[in-house]
Amino acid sequence: AQKITQTQPGMFVQEKEAVTLDCTYDTSDPSYGLFWYKQPSSGEMIFLIYQGSYDQQNATEGRYSLNFQKARKSANLVISASQLGDSAMYFCAMREGAGGANSKLTFGKGITLSVRP
Amino acid sequence: KAGVTQTPRYLIKTRGQQVTLSCSPISGHRSVSWYQQTPGQGLQFLFEYFSETQRNKGNFPGRFSGRQFSNSRSEMNVSTLELGDSALYLCASSNRQGALEGEKLFFGSGTQLSVL
Repeated sequence: AQKITQTQPGMFVQEKEAVTLDCTYDTSDPSYGLFWYKQPSSGEMIFLIYQGSYDQQNATEGRYSLNFQKARKSANLVISASQLGDSAMYFCAMREGAGGANSKLTFGKGITLSVRP
Repeated sequence: KAGVTQTPRYLIKTRGQQVTLSCSPISGHRSVSWYQQTPGQGLQFLFEYFSETQRNKGNFPGRFSGRQFSNSRSEMNVSTLELGDSALYLCASSNRQGALEGEKLFFGSGTQLSVL
């Protein structure tokens, strides 16, 4: 079974509107971390947001927020007030196990987001 | 503060050759990880180094190796190149110090390797 699933086809959003990018995960480890990265055409992976499995509140970083539903094993990224520069590939990733000894990330296939002016 | 620096940015090799890629982490970061990105397989973990020791390894053949120096800079080597090794190779660094710290991985722009 895939550990990280991103099934949405290419997503389109109008500039200044909000958009949700879906991510579901699968793990039996009680301790894990969930990440979202943005990859523009330049290739660099840009860290957006992190959610730990024991975090009580949903993570937020500026215009990015993570809708973490532990029981459903979903970690959807919400981008508010979309900007043209948000057009990129977005990856959901997971690290299993407690941090410190393991920084291996398992990535989903990614979602292409296009922001329309 | 400078980000993660990878060199070279582009590389063209032929089958059977070997290649060395370089990664300089963010100053102060001691963990360096390597990932391979291809259109078919997506992003896959290669290995991680921490304080000059390999701490984690992905499911890649022994042709893929790496090392880390005392200044935390890391190199990745691929010997006997195959066409399927064509990929974007990304390096990531972290200031991982303990169980709850350093959760963020910061990536470089990658080295695009083409094997002809």
